[in-house]
Amino acid sequence: DAGVIQSPRHEVTEMGQEVTLRCKPISGHDYLFWYRQTMMRGLELLIYFNNNVPIDDSGMPEDRFSAKMPNASFSTLKIQPSEPRDSAVYFCASRPLAGGDTGELFFGEGSRLTVL
Amino acid sequence: SQQGEEDPQALSIQEGENATMNCSYKTSINNLQWYRQNSGRGLVHLILIRSNEREKHSGRLRVTLDTSKKSSSLLITASRAADTASYFCATVLVSGNTPLVFGKGTRLSVIA
Repeated sequence: DAGVIQSPRHEVTEMGQEVTLRCKPISGHDYLFWYRQTMMRGLELLIYFNNNVPIDDSGMPEDRFSAKMPNASFSTLKIQPSEPRDSAVYFCASRPLAGGDTGELFFGEGSRLTVL
Repeated sequence: SQQGEEDPQALSIQEGENATMNCSYKTSINNLQWYRQNSGRGLVHLILIRSNEREKHSGRLRVTLDTSKKSSSLLITASRAADTASYFCATVLVSGNTPLVFGKGTRLSVIA
């Protein structure tokens, strides 16, 4: 069974450009999470979805960030316009409803973003 | 916000030795989980301990939980070079149905 799939794995862009990160969760998983990892701040939860509906986006740093989940098998995280301080590794993770509030998260391999 | 904090930030040991990492948190939890992250990779779930459990084992891993001290420890016995990674604790609040909040991790280096 394929795990959580993220693309691109690496992205280098210039300040002001739009960045779109993509995630395909594990089939049958009801929850999808976007995290951002930096050395300074560790792993931060940005937003999470349940059955494609955004539940909590309080971690989204600014209006420049937006996330969508048009269907159960696809989510995007968009940054427009990007800034150098957005440079980080962005992780997508999913888990099944059966796990409830105690289940483990399954992480993708991450998208490393560098904004010059 | 609720967040686990791992201690130490970095740990370097010889192969064969035991490695102990600690995690402290601030408010009551439903459960606590440990994850491992190899360099350049995603996080992988290791073990989960519920608030009513005190100790749990999985292979060479031993996790303890002290809810009175709001702390947990992860022990890796007979460490191997392949155990070199960052280790994170993550908590789920007692109110449940909340996403995991991670600490900044402990970087473990096992020297062959």
